[in-house]
Amino acid sequence: QVQLVESGGGLVKPGGSLRLSCAASGFTFSDYYMSWIRQAPGKGLEWLSYISTSGTTMNYADSVKGRFTISRDNAKNSLYLQMNSLRAEDTAVYYCARLRSTGYQDDWGQGTLVTVSS
Amino acid sequence: QSVLTQPPSVSAAPGQKVTISCSGSSSYIGNNLLSWYQHLPGTAPKLLIYDNNKRPSGIPDRFSGSKSGSSATLGITGLQTGDEADYYCGTWDTSLSAVVFGGGTKVTVL
Repeated sequence: QVQLVESGGGLVKPGGSLRLSCAASGFTFSDYYMSWIRQAPGKGLEWLSYISTSGTTMNYADSVKGRFTISRDNAKNSLYLQMNSLRAEDTAVYYCARLRSTGYQDDWGQGTLVTVSS
Repeated sequence: QSVLTQPPSVSAAPGQKVTISCSGSSSYIGNNLLSWYQHLPGTAPKLLIYDNNKRPSGIPDRFSGSKSGSSATLGITGLQTGDEADYYCGTWDTSLSAVVFGGGTKVTVL
């Protein structure tokens, strides 16, 4: 079955960096677009970024554009999110998800918590 | 502020039906395929409905999706205590090349 497992979350100071990983299994990773989504405490789901199968096309929400970078390694069945210049408002649970062609996410990981605090 | 608007909360007794609306401009809703997700705290969000009204394998037919004019609706019949969760609508915005979620609706089983 499809499995997505995020890792790399933790406590980081404002202005710091963190790299999240998402290990995929149970499907042909290289055949699917992927997304990152987050949920801040007390807030709703916020889509952050997507990446194409080859990794050549991606896009970002305005809230993270220029600070976050999505990438993937199809040989390792892994998705990444490099997060720089972190702010307190980036504190959230971060989810990776499989993005289908008509724009819905059909499988999600359990999430990894990122806390930005001094 | 999302282009998709949901009520903050809805509630009903066990066994009853609830409907959750997801509204936007008629062109936005009409031109886009809607999906619905269930999210229980501490768990992975779960896809309930995709392409407006299709259910993934394993999702009971108590959950249904529909769309009309400037609004999409998620219906839950035979409400159970396990249905207490946050529910989100979502879509792909072609002009933004981005996924958009509604603000979420908390379902309470009385």
